[in-house]
Amino acid sequence: ELKVEQNPLFLSMQEGKNYTIYCNYSTTSDRLYWYRQDPGKSLESLFVLLSNGAVKQEGRLMASLDTKARLSTLHITAAVHDLSATYFCAVAPVIALNFGKGTSLLVTP
Amino acid sequence: DAGVIQSPRHEVTEMGQEVTLRCKPISGHDYLFWYRQTMMRGLELLIYFNNNVPIDDSGMPEDRFSAKMPNASFSTLKIQPSEPRDSAVYFCASSLRTSGANVLTFGAGSRLTVL
Repeated sequence: ELKVEQNPLFLSMQEGKNYTIYCNYSTTSDRLYWYRQDPGKSLESLFVLLSNGAVKQEGRLMASLDTKARLSTLHITAAVHDLSATYFCAVAPVIALNFGKGTSLLVTP
Repeated sequence: DAGVIQSPRHEVTEMGQEVTLRCKPISGHDYLFWYRQTMMRGLELLIYFNNNVPIDDSGMPEDRFSAKMPNASFSTLKIQPSEPRDSAVYFCASSLRTSGANVLTFGAGSRLTVL
């Protein structure tokens, strides 16, 4: 059974601080996806990582992929309140995306 | 493009009633997915279609659930009869698979409450 595990599941951090969210998965996959979901809203694509060593950055978020370790990280730099949301990683061994449980991030003043 | 359009956005019904959720994918997309989201189980894949053909329905909970895609611009997810444990947010997503990537675009979701 494919497992996609994120940690932490809940994260409260102060504005201006840095933190990393981890995503481990149990099957071979060269593609890793990160999504964001605001409360009561839909999921929005953030990053697609397509190969080992891939790194993508958008604003204060940076995602990386290590396919050998089956690990992806989402690094948050100098957090701001607008980043408060739930972040999901997902892998797609075939076609459909299999999602982790999500990391609920709260950025406080 | 207006994105993936789902209806209804909210549905409250009583146990035993039939529920039909609808989805219009993005024009030109060749994959359509139905997911269910709950606090306890997270995001679960129910079924997906490729060019209107169901490919994998192993995530459909039981025979009470059925999904159809009669054409490239419309899909339905039906629950009959509904039960309180079916209460969840149901998301439809579509994608156009390119070489290597399959980025799903999600609809706004249909929040179902079964009393």
